[in-house]
Amino acid sequence: KQEVTQIPAALSVPEGENLVLNCSFTDSAIYNLQWFRQDPGKGLTSLLLIQSSQREQTSGRLNASLDKSSGRSTLYIAASQPGDSATYLCAVCKTDSWGKLQFGAGTQVVVTP
Amino acid sequence: GAVVSQHPSRVICKSGTSVKIECRSLDFQATTMFWYRQFPKKSLMLMATSNEGSKATYEQGVEKDKFLINHASLTLSTLTVTSAHPEDSSFYICSARIPLGTEAFFGQGTRLTVV
Repeated sequence: KQEVTQIPAALSVPEGENLVLNCSFTDSAIYNLQWFRQDPGKGLTSLLLIQSSQREQTSGRLNASLDKSSGRSTLYIAASQPGDSATYLCAVCKTDSWGKLQFGAGTQVVVTP
Repeated sequence: GAVVSQHPSRVICKSGTSVKIECRSLDFQATTMFWYRQFPKKSLMLMATSNEGSKATYEQGVEKDKFLINHASLTLSTLTVTSAHPEDSSFYICSARIPLGTEAFFGQGTRLTVV
């Protein structure tokens, strides 16, 4: 059974620091991995999607890496801003259940001015 | 990206009543949609897979008679929480993927409170 773990559960950094969020999964038979942002009481905003054949994806200040063999993904957010404060979720799509996502519990990030 | 609209965003209902939540794909046809539930400070858990024109597939432990799913058209799936109880209070969110696409697009979610 696939298990997705996110460490740390919570993170507080001063503005300007880089953020490093970790996601690990137990079953490497994945189709892709997605990182999402969730603001309190809101839905999900997709940040980055990494296909299983890719090593990383970048969008602006965000960079996500994927090491499928070791079951790890890392989301880097450069030069953090207070507006980056949110919960960040990673989710994996297994190869035998295309479209279904298994989520980690998330990392709650607070960026202080 | 593709747009998925979920309605209502927030609903309060009395215990024993039923509540319907709609999930619409606005700019694409979604043969498959997914319904998730999120408990406070917990991860999202897949409840069921909604298939257009056929019965939904429920995950283990999800009561299909309590959580009725209907996917009557290529752009609309509905989740009905029947005879709601306070323990059904939660955040429900749907997702859809573009046919042959690889990315999941999510609705805004529905906060259900049963009093």
